[in-house]
Amino acid sequence: DIVMTQSPDSLAVSLGEKATINCKSSQNVFHSANSKNYLAWYHQKPGQPPKLLISWASTRESGVPDRFSASGSGTDFTLTISSLQAEDVAVYYCQQYYRTPLTFGQGTNLEIK
Amino acid sequence: QLRLQESGPGLVKPSETLSLTCSVSGGSISSTTYYWGWIRQPPGMGLEWIGSIYYRGSTSYNPSLESRVSISVDTSKNQFSLKINSVTVADTAVYYCARPATFCSGRLEAVFDLWGQGIPVTVSS
Repeated sequence: DIVMTQSPDSLAVSLGEKATINCKSSQNVFHSANSKNYLAWYHQKPGQPPKLLISWASTRESGVPDRFSASGSGTDFTLTISSLQAEDVAVYYCQQYYRTPLTFGQGTNLEIK
Repeated sequence: QLRLQESGPGLVKPSETLSLTCSVSGGSISSTTYYWGWIRQPPGMGLEWIGSIYYRGSTSYNPSLESRVSISVDTSKNQFSLKINSVTVADTAVYYCARPATFCSGRLEAVFDLWGQGIPVTVSS
């Protein structure tokens, strides 16, 4: 299985400040045939299902605010929220879809400082 | 607009079988080439992919659960179902059904952009 490890486990950031979450995969999730990284980001608010934010490591889903950006390739990835808003409080997960079993990171709990 | 809704018992006894159904409304489960998925989340923990099923019935399971899991589809009822045998307290979780993103159409390896609300299932005597 491809193990996904996020850091930190928990993060407190002031409103308007930048938040950065890291995700590391135990195996390369870059597919050279199409030059794509099979890495996604979700966030999950209490009592709700996860919401897909980013796919292909850096492509924002429709309707996701542009304060969310993501980067990385191979085994190391980063999600950045440029200016934290109150509604961004959530648990953030990365997921690899390079191969089955599909696997998720353990989650990063993002709070307001 | 497509919607997914999980249903089933919220309490299952240890060693028995957990059975859940995901009903799809607002569209036909067989009109698209998706691998529909089941994902679970134990209390206070992260997400675990259980398995996925193609509308024609082919399946793929997480090896960690494969010996106890079965996923089936009933296109006439526009639903797909999950069974986990011989449950233990470790199977206590919120269970989600989900649809892959459109760009993952036809692919087992997928991200999920449409989720049911989730159904909490407790394994307890």
